[in-house]
Amino acid sequence: GQNIDQPTEMTATEGAIVQINCTYQTSGFNGLFWYQQHAGEAPTFLSYNVLDGLEEKGRFSSFLSRSKGYSYLLLKELQMKDSASYLCAVPSGSGNTGKLIFGQGTTLQVKP
Amino acid sequence: TAGITQAPTSQILAAGRSMTLRCTQDMRHNAMYWYRQDLGLGLRLIHYSNTAGTTGKGEVPDGYSVSRANTDDFPLTLASAVPSQTSVYFCASSPTPHSYNEQFFGPGTRLTVL
Repeated sequence: GQNIDQPTEMTATEGAIVQINCTYQTSGFNGLFWYQQHAGEAPTFLSYNVLDGLEEKGRFSSFLSRSKGYSYLLLKELQMKDSASYLCAVPSGSGNTGKLIFGQGTTLQVKP
Repeated sequence: TAGITQAPTSQILAAGRSMTLRCTQDMRHNAMYWYRQDLGLGLRLIHYSNTAGTTGKGEVPDGYSVSRANTDDFPLTLASAVPSQTSVYFCASSPTPHSYNEQFFGPGTRLTVL
């Protein structure tokens, strides 16, 4: 089966760095997504990793280790607007469908 | 460009009644998806469609049906609503059904079944 685990809540301070972890178990691996979701809004795409290593995109970076079934999202220079839920997701089944399995999400609260 | 629109924004429905949630996209995406989001459970896939004319079941399909008569529209129907279907429903689309495509989400429909 497939399973995704991420912390439920995190708190960090404005200007700081925070790392949100995600561990997964899949029968086959076709990449890992991170989405951001502000309260009351739709999820929006942040990143997609299919190879091991760190991918940087501005203040946000995403890391993947396929051998460990582990990913993290790194947010630098935190801003108040980064307060949101961060969803980790992996494709379900073969790579020919867009079916995604989501973790329950990590709610990040950024404090002044 | 509107992207994905959903209607209604919110709805209160009596148990046993039927309802269709509407979803329309103008991006000419082939693949579309319906998710429900509940506190503590995250997003769960209800049904999906890889291309117009085809549909498939996701994680939690029971009590829901979909159709995909054309590329743009992907309605979700609850034939006889039950309180456990109270949730926020998101429609999403992607250019193709391949796993590497990001999905674009609509604004959601908040449904309460009493």
